[in-house]
Amino acid sequence: DQQVKQNSPSLSVQEGRISILNCDYTNSMFDYFLWYKKYPAEGPTFLISISSIKDKNEDGRFTVFLNKSAKHLSLHIVPSQPGDSAVYFCAASDGANNLFFGTGTRLTVIP
Amino acid sequence: NAGVTQTPKFQVLKTGQSMTLQCAQDMNHNSMYWYRQDPGMGLRLIYYSASEGTTDKGEVPNGYNVSRLNKREFSLRLESAAPSQTSVYFCASSERGPKNIQYFGAGTRLSVL
Repeated sequence: DQQVKQNSPSLSVQEGRISILNCDYTNSMFDYFLWYKKYPAEGPTFLISISSIKDKNEDGRFTVFLNKSAKHLSLHIVPSQPGDSAVYFCAASDGANNLFFGTGTRLTVIP
Repeated sequence: NAGVTQTPKFQVLKTGQSMTLQCAQDMNHNSMYWYRQDPGMGLRLIYYSASEGTTDKGEVPNGYNVSRLNKREFSLRLESAAPSQTSVYFCASSERGPKNIQYFGAGTRLSVL
């Protein structure tokens, strides 16, 4: 059973507006959450992470929010740029050697 | 900086053929991983190696074998390829730790006919 879920396969946003990508997880033992970005014909690249003891982490235009009680996290991109168009994967770490990935959300930023 | 290098980038096999996917990292990471990515399935872990000399099964190990040749190299072998193994394969590496930020190669696109 999928432990990390991204229920929106795709999202389209106008340039300059906010993009919000969502992720849900089932295992309360996950202690770190990560977002990866993937362009076509490339491997995923690490974008931003958050510890389970925090509820927000910000890095430039990217902010990740964590709601532990709801087992939900989201990635906000403000302002969205055409170069942000990619597939975004949410991942959760169990503190050992395992990362559990969601199925990805394809973001399209329309100029 | 090369990071994680995978070879080949593309491969077409016939059912029953064998091949080895190569992966090397130059970041002195202890842990290495092999994933496959299929449409609508995200990234699924095939095998991982927490350190040189050790390997462990992931979520979908059947039909695959791995070798951690040294700290830099981690190979994935398909002994008898099947059409169900048509996929994009990614190798990754990381330092040990709870955050487990993994760095990925560019992938190998494999088609089994």
